[in-house]
Amino acid sequence: AQSVTQLGSHVSVSEGALVLLRCNYSSSVPPYLFWYVQYPNQGLQLLLKYTTGATLVKGINGFEAEFKKSETSFHLTKPSAHMSDAAEYFCAVSVTNAGKSTFGDGTTLTVKP
Amino acid sequence: DVKVTQSSRYLVKRTGEKVFLECVQDMDHENMFWYRQDPGLGLRLIYFSYDVKMKEKGDIPEGYSVSREKKERFSLILESASTNQTSMYLCASSRPRDGTGGFYEQYFGPGTRLTVT
Repeated sequence: AQSVTQLGSHVSVSEGALVLLRCNYSSSVPPYLFWYVQYPNQGLQLLLKYTTGATLVKGINGFEAEFKKSETSFHLTKPSAHMSDAAEYFCAVSVTNAGKSTFGDGTTLTVKP
Repeated sequence: DVKVTQSSRYLVKRTGEKVFLECVQDMDHENMFWYRQDPGLGLRLIYFSYDVKMKEKGDIPEGYSVSREKKERFSLILESASTNQTSMYLCASSRPRDGTGGFYEQYFGPGTRLTVT
């Protein structure tokens, strides 16, 4: 079975500070990993994804994530937070044949001016 | 631009009513999903469809059913709405696994916020 744990349901940073959102997964087979972002009153949209190959993945809006197999982690980072980054972020993993994803509980990012 | 649309953004229904939530995608995707989103619980899969007329139960199917008569449309049905089904409902679609076994991302609709009174 696959599972995802997002550490910290709420993260608050100052504008310009580093953003670090943590995600750990559990999977018995090589996973495909995704980060999605949800702005208020909207659906989720893809930020970035890890499939195979390069372990450092770059996404939209300056976000990136690094796949670390030894730590079973896929943390999301951004060097400098912007007010527009305030949103809820979801980590997801896909390993089953059906293509379903298991989502984490989400992390709400607040950016203070 | 790819698009997943949901029939209503906000819906208020009474306990015991039969409720239909409609989802349409224009990307010719085989896979379609219905999720329920509640604070602190993330996204929970209700039902999944991988082809027309094919469906599979997700993690929380009780009290729900689905219909997929056409590839682009996936309907979620609450047979007899209850107050504990008050929630945000999200529809998504995706391509199936690729030739190398890889997974594609899901595309989400804007959500339907359902209130059952």
